[in-house]
Amino acid sequence: TQLLEQSPQFLSIQEGENLTVYCNSSSVFSSLQWYRQEPGEGPVLLVTVVTGGEVKKLKRLTFQFGDARKDSSLHITAAQPGDTGLYLCAVLTSGTYKYIFGTGTRLKVLA
Amino acid sequence: KAGVTQTPRYLIKTRGQQVTLSCSPISGHRSVSWYQQTPGQGLQFLFEYFSETQRNKGNFPGRFSGRQFSNSRSEMNVSTLELGDSALYLCASSFGGGGNYEQYFGPGTRLTVT
Repeated sequence: TQLLEQSPQFLSIQEGENLTVYCNSSSVFSSLQWYRQEPGEGPVLLVTVVTGGEVKKLKRLTFQFGDARKDSSLHITAAQPGDTGLYLCAVLTSGTYKYIFGTGTRLKVLA
Repeated sequence: KAGVTQTPRYLIKTRGQQVTLSCSPISGHRSVSWYQQTPGQGLQFLFEYFSETQRNKGNFPGRFSGRQFSNSRSEMNVSTLELGDSALYLCASSFGGGGNYEQYFGPGTRLTVT
């Protein structure tokens, strides 16, 4: 059973378009992280959201944690080719030091 | 500040062989986690070490093992390699100690089993 489902699985858009990717679960989490992974590299942490309903902005990226802390979204405004990569959400399972990662959204931004 | 380093970056092995991968964490970090990444299963947790002790283990067979040294460097070993072990193996380091600590990933070791 996959704890974290991400959608869409693949996304190919033109430069300048907006997009939203989602991370959903039936479980409640104390926090959630978003990572971006580029080809040939390890994932890089973008943000950690902690409070239900929290919204964090990182330049053109907006992250939101659901009110019930079961889901999260990542919105990119005016996407650029440099945003291309695999976007992963992750949560720390309760009472452990073990991270669970989502299924991932592979984004390609065309120039 | 140097990042997480992993060696080797690429490795080709034959079924039945064993392999050892190495991870050097960021200076001062005491926790090292290992992950396996494949197109089909995504990124899956293998195990986590803190101060030379394994604190958590994922759902992988006993052929996968690891250890951590007193300088926090870590190794993972896979014995009796199978074709399905072909994957990108990532390690991540952090200060550890519980809570929402940040993980920093290395570039990974690409293992191909033929």
